[in-house]
Amino acid sequence: KNEVEQSPQNLTAQEGEFITINCSYSVGISALHWLQQHPGGGIVSLFMLSSGKKKHGRLIATINIQEKHSSLHITASHPRDSAVYICAVRHLSSNTGKLIFGQGTTLQVKP
Amino acid sequence: NAGVTQTPKFQVLKTGQSMTLQCAQDMNHEYMSWYRQDPGMGLRLIHYSVGAGITDQGEVPNGYNVSRSTTEDFPLRLLSAAPSQTSVYFCASRRDWSPNSPLHFGNGTRLTVT
Repeated sequence: KNEVEQSPQNLTAQEGEFITINCSYSVGISALHWLQQHPGGGIVSLFMLSSGKKKHGRLIATINIQEKHSSLHITASHPRDSAVYICAVRHLSSNTGKLIFGQGTTLQVKP
Repeated sequence: NAGVTQTPKFQVLKTGQSMTLQCAQDMNHEYMSWYRQDPGMGLRLIHYSVGAGITDQGEVPNGYNVSRSTTEDFPLRLLSAAPSQTSVYFCASRRDWSPNSPLHFGNGTRLTVT
C-alpha cells in the first residue's frame, strides 16, 4: 500500500463546479505539499501545510493531522484549472527534506 | 530570477550511450534534487543534495550519478542508458530542508532510450 494515496485518480467537472481532491497518508508528517502539473509538464507548488487551512484565490487546502488527511478544494472551477494535482508529504523523521509523492489526480474541467 | 533551469527539454539516446542532464538554479537554494516521473507512479527521488559538495541517494539511484561542485548546479549523469530509464526527469530546489521551504521545479526533460 502506498504511503500517500490520492482520490479520485481522475475527475471530470463542468466549469463552475466546486471540486475536492483528497490525500490520505499513513506516516507521521512535518509538512504536506500540494503541487499542480499542467499538460505542458511544468510543476508548480500550490501550498505547503503543516496544520489548518490555507487559501489562495479560488484554491483552498486543508489538513487534519489527527486523521492523516488533506483536501484541496477549487471553487468556481475553470477549464484552465485542468491539470494533474499532486500531494506530497515530508516524513516526520526526515532530516533531509525528502518527500513522498502521491500518484496524482487528473482533473479535467469542461466549458 | 530564472528559477530552476533544466536542459535539454527532450533527448533520445541509444542503449549504452551516456549523457548529462543539466540543472541550474539562481535562487541560492541549498537543497536540490532529481526526480523521475513514470506513468502510474508518483515522482520518485533519484539523488539529492543538501549543499555544495554533499550528495546522497534517493529511492532509485541505480544507473545515475550526481555531483554538486557549486550551489547553483546539480547535473544528473546517465552512465550507460537503458530503456528502463525512459522517463520524464525533473530537477527541483528548495531554500533549505526545513518544513516551511517550498519546492521549485524545472520544466522537465523527456528522455527516450531506444
